[in-house]
Formats: sequence, structure tokens, C-alpha cells
Amino acid sequence: EIVMTQSPATLSVSPGERATLSCRASQSVSSNLAWYQQKPGQAPRLLIYGASTRATGIPARFSGSGSGTEFTLTISSLQSEDFAVYYCQHRGTFGPGTKVDIK
Amino acid sequence: QITLKESGPTLVKPTQTLTLTCTFSGFSLSTSGVGVGWIRQPPGKALEWLALIYWDDDKRYSPSLKSRLTITKDTSKNQVVLTMTNMDPVDTATYYCAHPIVATDAFDIWGQGTMVTVSS
Repeated sequence: EIVMTQSPATLSVSPGERATLSCRASQSVSSNLAWYQQKPGQAPRLLIYGASTRATGIPARFSGSGSGTEFTLTISSLQSEDFAVYYCQHRGTFGPGTKVDIK
Repeated sequence: QITLKESGPTLVKPTQTLTLTCTFSGFSLSTSGVGVGWIRQPPGKALEWLALIYWDDDKRYSPSLKSRLTITKDTSKNQVVLTMTNMDPVDTATYYCAHPIVATDAFDIWGQGTMVTVSS
């Protein structure tokens, strides 16, 4: 079974700054990797699938990259509404999440 | 427009069987490639993938929970049902159903979730 890990567990960023979140798979998952954003009390929202394809309606400041075992979600300039928890997913496995909070 | 909504009990006793229903609209589970999945999230914890059923009745389960889970579909009613046996307090969570993008494992549309508490 593939294990997904995410780092860091918490990322403190100032509004307007760039945020870089990492996701690692215990074995190659090719480009089969999705990213989600979740805010308190809400269902997750799909941001990226296929490692780098933005989902419908997702702002261009969100970008995904990577393949194999190493993946990155980049938020180019953090907006107030971007402070949330971010999860990566490969098939039947979610990562533990990265919380992005205000510095 | 695709929508999904979960329904079921909010409270179950330990050892009981949980039955959750996902009622959806905007797509058909008889269409090639289409699926519906279930994901849960204990309070303050991460998401956990549970099960997924496809248009052709192909079913996938979490290896760690496979012995306790059953997923079925009723195409005529636009519903997917998840049953989980032998419930335990650690199964207390918000349970979501979600629609995966065809030919991917990514869930693009989610239900609002339903909170299930396991307690005597």
C-alpha cells in the first residue's frame, strides 16, 4: 500500500507571500496525484488533479508540479481566503495534510 | 450541475451497523466511466478514503476497512449506499460522498458531509 506524506505539517505565511507545500509518495504514482483545500466546517475542494491540471474555477495562483514520488503545490501569492488545510491524494490514500496559517 | 447529499443516522451504538445513503443528481451511474466514492474525516483529523463504486459495478475498498464495508448502487434512484459493520467510537467522523472526475481518482464534487457519532 502506498503511503503519502506531506511537509511541513504547518506553514506560516504572510499574505502576498509564496507558499510551497510538498507531498511525497512511498513509491512512484506517476502523475496520479490530486490536491485539495479544506476550510473549517467545509467539504474539501479539488484544486489540482493529474499532478498539474487545475480544476474548474481554480485561480491561476494555484499550481501543481511533480511526478513519480515528489510533488509540489505552489500558491504564488497568498490571499486571505487561502489559509486552510491542504491534502494530497493518490487513489485510495490521502496525505496527513499541511495547515497554512497566517504569519 | 452535479450535487450529492449524504443521509443516515447521526448516532449509532458500538457494534451496530451504519448505513449511509448518497443521493445525487446531475449525472447517471449508468454512464460509462462514472463513479461515486465515500471518504470520512474524524474530528480534527485527516481525510480517509473508504470506498468507490463505478458505473459497471466495479467496487474498490480501503484495504484496512474492507472486511467491514459494503458499497452498492441503485441507478434508478440515483443513490449509492455504504454500510459499515461493527461500529466503534473511533469511527466517529464526518462521512462524505463525492464524484470523481471520469478516468481519474480525483473527487471534483463533494457532498456537504454527515456527522456520525458512535456512542453507547
